[in-house]
Amino acid sequence: QKEVEQDPGPLSVPEGAIVSLNCTYSNSAFQYFMWYRQYSRKGPELLMYTYSSGNKEDGRFTAQVDKSSKYISLFIRDSQPSDSATYLCAMSAYGGATNKLIFGTGTLLAVQP
Amino acid sequence: GAVVSQHPSRVICKSGTSVKIECRSLDFQATTMFWYRQFPKQSLMLMATSNEGSKATYEQGVEKDKFLINHASLTLSTLTVTSAHPEDSSFYICSARDRWGDSQFFGPGTRLTVL
Repeated sequence: QKEVEQDPGPLSVPEGAIVSLNCTYSNSAFQYFMWYRQYSRKGPELLMYTYSSGNKEDGRFTAQVDKSSKYISLFIRDSQPSDSATYLCAMSAYGGATNKLIFGTGTLLAVQP
Repeated sequence: GAVVSQHPSRVICKSGTSVKIECRSLDFQATTMFWYRQFPKQSLMLMATSNEGSKATYEQGVEKDKFLINHASLTLSTLTVTSAHPEDSSFYICSARDRWGDSQFFGPGTRLTVL
């Protein structure tokens, strides 16, 4: 079993839809959770960073962490064609100098105009 | 802020040659840099963790003699793929974090093609 599971998609939605992206994990030691967006042939860009359980909102993006269920989500409101990319979840147990990130496989999102 | 650059962005080389990839943190001092490899439609696989002024820590299965990492300053780490072979063709991405942050900032990646 992989430490982090993520549905690879592809996920296709119409412009303006609410998008829900999810990851599950098995390591209960994970405390730091991140969502990255990666456009084709580019490096990942940090979107959201959360520590422990709870919600965090930034513009059209909301990240949720449910540590009891080992489940994290990223919601995108009013999705735009420019949101079309691969979304990677990442997590780590430590926040210190050598925090090693464990990535999901990424979900490919296509927002249709 | 938190900009990481990589050079070159793309390289094509013949089998048997060595290729050096540079990773620079442009507006912060990176005490730790990470090197990843990403195959098409797959996630990032960590190759090694590089700390300034010390030897890199390699992940299991990554040949340290083939993938040489040097982190000589707080803004520069290099990855040298020695005696490259076609199976080394991949997208190599570095990331960096400063001593205060918990998240990593990624470079734009280097696409290596070995003929």
